[in-house]
Amino acid sequence: NAGVMQNPRHLVRRRGQEARLRCSPMKGHSHVYWYRQLPEEGLKFMVYLQKENIIDESGMPKERFSAEFPKEGPSILRIQQVVRGDSAAYFCASSPPGQGLAFFGQGTRLTVV
Amino acid sequence: QKEVEQDPGPLSVPEGAIVSLNCTYSNSAFQYFMWYRQYSRKGPELLMYTYSSGNKEDGRFTAQVDKSSKYISLFIRDSQPSDSATYLCAMNLQADKLIFGTGTRLQVFP
Repeated sequence: NAGVMQNPRHLVRRRGQEARLRCSPMKGHSHVYWYRQLPEEGLKFMVYLQKENIIDESGMPKERFSAEFPKEGPSILRIQQVVRGDSAAYFCASSPPGQGLAFFGQGTRLTVV
Repeated sequence: QKEVEQDPGPLSVPEGAIVSLNCTYSNSAFQYFMWYRQYSRKGPELLMYTYSSGNKEDGRFTAQVDKSSKYISLFIRDSQPSDSATYLCAMNLQADKLIFGTGTRLQVFP
């Protein structure tokens, strides 16, 4: 049973470009979380989704950031017009329905130059 | 006040020592309590989880939850250099976002 798959593992974008981060949950998991981690800091919640529905986006910046989890395919975290402050590790986690456990992927390290 | 408080360390111990890692929290409604281990530049790995209160043991690791004190602990027996990592506590309500502590950096030296 494959774990949570994130790609790409590393992503370099110039300021003003768009970044798309993908996350495929574990088999049988219907819920996905996105977290951001800055160097030497903890994990900050961004958004919690189930298929075709955003459950909680209280941690998402109001502008430039969006997330989706379509009926088919991976969850996507999209950052438009990236700035240097967006440079961070972005982690996705998935959980089975009705449970509080979450299993993480290896993350996407975004560098904005 | 943060919802989850965790001492960032670093904590440095000799090989073979018993390690105690702790977190306190403020929301009495939390139901799931988890410990993750994160190696440098890797994703968090779920080590232990407890639903509601009590103890749970898995090999060299023991997780304890004291809901009356809003305090959780992770004990590592016979610590090894390979245990050197950052340990994050996390907790949530059922089917809700996880709230993380800031993580404690542990160094086990030979």
